[in-house]
Amino acid sequence: DGGITQSPKYLFRKEGQNVTLSCEQNLNHDAMYWYRQDPGQGLRLIYYSQIVNDFQKGDIAEGYSVSREKKESFPLTVTSAQKNPTAFYLCASSIEPTRNTEAFFGQGTRLTVV
Amino acid sequence: AQKVTQAQTEISVVEKEDVTLDCVYETRDTTYYLFWYKQPPSGELVFLIRRNSFDEQNEISGRYSWNFQKSTSSFNFTITASQVVDSAVYFCALSETHSASYDKVIFGPGTSLSVIP
Repeated sequence: DGGITQSPKYLFRKEGQNVTLSCEQNLNHDAMYWYRQDPGQGLRLIYYSQIVNDFQKGDIAEGYSVSREKKESFPLTVTSAQKNPTAFYLCASSIEPTRNTEAFFGQGTRLTVV
Repeated sequence: AQKVTQAQTEISVVEKEDVTLDCVYETRDTTYYLFWYKQPPSGELVFLIRRNSFDEQNEISGRYSWNFQKSTSSFNFTITASQVVDSAVYFCALSETHSASYDKVIFGPGTSLSVIP
């Protein structure tokens, strides 16, 4: 089945560690996105990529990094510079920029700092 | 500035009741899109509807209906005869089309709907 796969589902990080969240899609979509969701808040855009080898910062990019070496993959690294990383992270993709069309989402990764 | 307000943080209804989820938005643009997404307990957001700013016709899809009113900047969502499977968090979202390079969708804070059997 076509879709977006995020892994792991749960992730625990010690303070000072970098961790990488995986996002893979087999929908042949050009655009991919990372969002952060905190309780009681809407989704906030971290990074997005409209094409391979290109990506742009969203509203809350500080402390995060991404790469887009393959069309199918858009991993997110949460670095030690991110002071409050505990949150639910959602990856999404769309056939064109999401301002115009629907986005397809993965099931998320819940990151907890221990 | 763009903004999406969903004033209802949590709603509980008894199964088979109708329920309306409110969404009010702010934008300077005349051309924009509005969306509703559903987030069930499994976590992923599921697309429900997209409406562009030039189409004010109300839409019905099964038990779901949407009422778009530009005069009040609202895009409300009604579930008729609610079912337990409707229990989820519902997000309203807004995107603008004036920027050719910046791809941005503003999500509201979400409304958590609980349907009690």
